[in-house]
Amino acid sequence: GENVEQHPSTLSVQEGDSAVIKCTYSDSASNYFPWYKQELGKRPQLIIDIRSNVGEKKDQRIAVTLNKTAKHFSLHITETQPEDSAVYFCAAKVRGSQGNLIFGKGTKLSVKP
Amino acid sequence: GAVVSQHPSRVICKSGTSVKIECRSLDFQATTMFWYRQFPKQSLMLMATSNEGSKATYEQGVEKDKFLINHASLTLSTLTVTSAHPEDSSFYICSAEQGNTYEQYFGPGTRLTVT
Repeated sequence: GENVEQHPSTLSVQEGDSAVIKCTYSDSASNYFPWYKQELGKRPQLIIDIRSNVGEKKDQRIAVTLNKTAKHFSLHITETQPEDSAVYFCAAKVRGSQGNLIFGKGTKLSVKP
Repeated sequence: GAVVSQHPSRVICKSGTSVKIECRSLDFQATTMFWYRQFPKQSLMLMATSNEGSKATYEQGVEKDKFLINHASLTLSTLTVTSAHPEDSSFYICSAEQGNTYEQYFGPGTRLTVT
């Protein structure tokens, strides 16, 4: 089955700097890769996603890149702000009969003012 | 759009009792709903996949007789934790998939504490 590895587990940056979180996946059939932001005690919120037919997607300060050959994808946050502090989860999904999301273990991002 | 509600948000129960958690998609029909469990500072672990009108598919290691899932309509799935024990204390989150969009939207979660 699919296995998703996420690094780093914790990341601390200064306000205004960029943050990069990387994930690798094992199942080459995976074709959907969302990123979720989860604040303490709250639900995961979908912040951006990418499908396997594109290599990059951007939404304001957030971008995701996908390298299908290497089976890795990354989240890039530019001009970080304190409110970006949260736990970020990557996930991979094989679009099929079940379509389960397999999550990485999460990255705790701290943005220091 | 794509709002998922979950009820209750918090529940405290005594060991041996059963607890029912409801997950509703408020503004869309969800053919498939998912139930996750999350321990503190850990990732989301999929417990089961619930398809409307059919039996749930449970992940390995999840007891189907302990965690009863019912998906009676396209907007409602329920998880019942039967004969709860302290080790069942956790954050339970559901999600719903919006049609064929790939995207999953999460409920706010239910904090279960078994005393």
